[in-house]
This record gives sequence, structure tokens and C-alpha cells, in this order.
Amino acid sequence: RKEVEQDPGPFNVPEGATVAFNCTYSNSASQSFFWYRQDCRKEPKLLMSVYSSGNEDGRFTAQLNRASQYISLLIRDSKLSDSATYLCVVTLFPGNQFYFGTGTSLTVIP
Amino acid sequence: ETGVTQSPTHLIKTRGQQVTLRCSSQSGHNTVSWYQQALGQGPQFIFQYYREEENGRGNFPPRFSGLQFPNYSSELNVNALELDDSALYLCASSPGTVPNSPLHFGNGTRLTVT
Repeated sequence: RKEVEQDPGPFNVPEGATVAFNCTYSNSASQSFFWYRQDCRKEPKLLMSVYSSGNEDGRFTAQLNRASQYISLLIRDSKLSDSATYLCVVTLFPGNQFYFGTGTSLTVIP
Repeated sequence: ETGVTQSPTHLIKTRGQQVTLRCSSQSGHNTVSWYQQALGQGPQFIFQYYREEENGRGNFPPRFSGLQFPNYSSELNVNALELDDSALYLCASSPGTVPNSPLHFGNGTRLTVT
């Protein structure tokens, strides 16, 4: 069983739309949670950490549900520049190994 | 502040050969992790080095080995290359004293094995 599961998509949405991605993780002992963004043939870059109380960064909102073991990312008012693959990431302490999902592909259409 | 740098950016090798990939960690970071990302997949953990010692290893065979140097730079060595080793190899550094801090990746080395 994979540590992290994501719907690979693709998600094709028009500019200005709101889109949500979900991710589930298998180990209830998971400690930290992140969303990374990866552009085609580039390295993953940290989009945002995910905190238990939920957190927002501009148009992006991340939520964590420990009871159900899922993480979500909401993107409001989608821009063309949001087109990328979004990777859900969890860590187990103390190993600090990062477990990545396979990524969800988003294309924002003009 | 200098970020994580990797070299080379691209590499083509033949099956059975050996390869060494290099990584310089971000200033102030003493922990280096290596990941393999095959096409269409998320990065998979290979191993982590902390203060020159291996500090965790993923599900990769022994022909994947590494080193960390006193300046915290690191090498990933792969022996007896196989076609399935073709992937993007990512190095990430983090400050080892801050548990669960995010990883900051280098640009990666794209390895093609023919």
C-alpha cells in the first residue's frame, strides 16, 4: 500500500475557476504535510506547508484532516500560471523521509 | 544565500556503466537527501546523509550508494546501471536540527540509460 495516494488527474479548468485536490495518507503517525508544485521537467518547489488548523496563502488554502487521513489543496481564481503538477507530501518522524504522491496534473485553460 | 546545486544537469550512460552525481547543499544545511523521480511518478526516497553518515535509506538496492563530505556536499553513485535507472535524480538539503522542515531541491540531474 502506498504511503500517499493522489488522483493523478488531469484536471483541466478554465481561468478563474476554483479547483480542489485531495490526497490520502496511510500512516496515522505522519508528522508533517506539504504541498509541492512541479513544472514540466523542473524540480519540485514548496508551495505551502499544511497545518492542523488549516492555512491560507493568497489564493491557496490547505486543509488537514487527521481523523480521515487526508490533505486538501484549494486553488481559487485559477491563473494560467497555476498549470503544473501538484505533489502531496507527508513525513514520518524521526526518519524525516518525505513520501511523495504521484502528483495531480492541473491545466488552466484561457 | 546559495541554494542547492547539482551537477551534471544531463547525463547519458550505457547499461552496465557506473555514474556519479554531485550535490552542493544550501548554505547552513547539514542534511542531504537524494530522490529518484521516474517519468509520471512522484520522487522516491533513496537515502539521506546527516553529518557524513547515512541516516535512512529507502527501498533501493546496494548498487545505489552515497557519500557526504565535511562541507556537507554529497555524491550519489550508481553501479551496474540498468535501463530502469533512467530518471530525474533530485538532491535536497535541509537543516538537520529542525525536524520536518521542508526540503529544498536542486535542479536535478536527468539520467538516461541506453
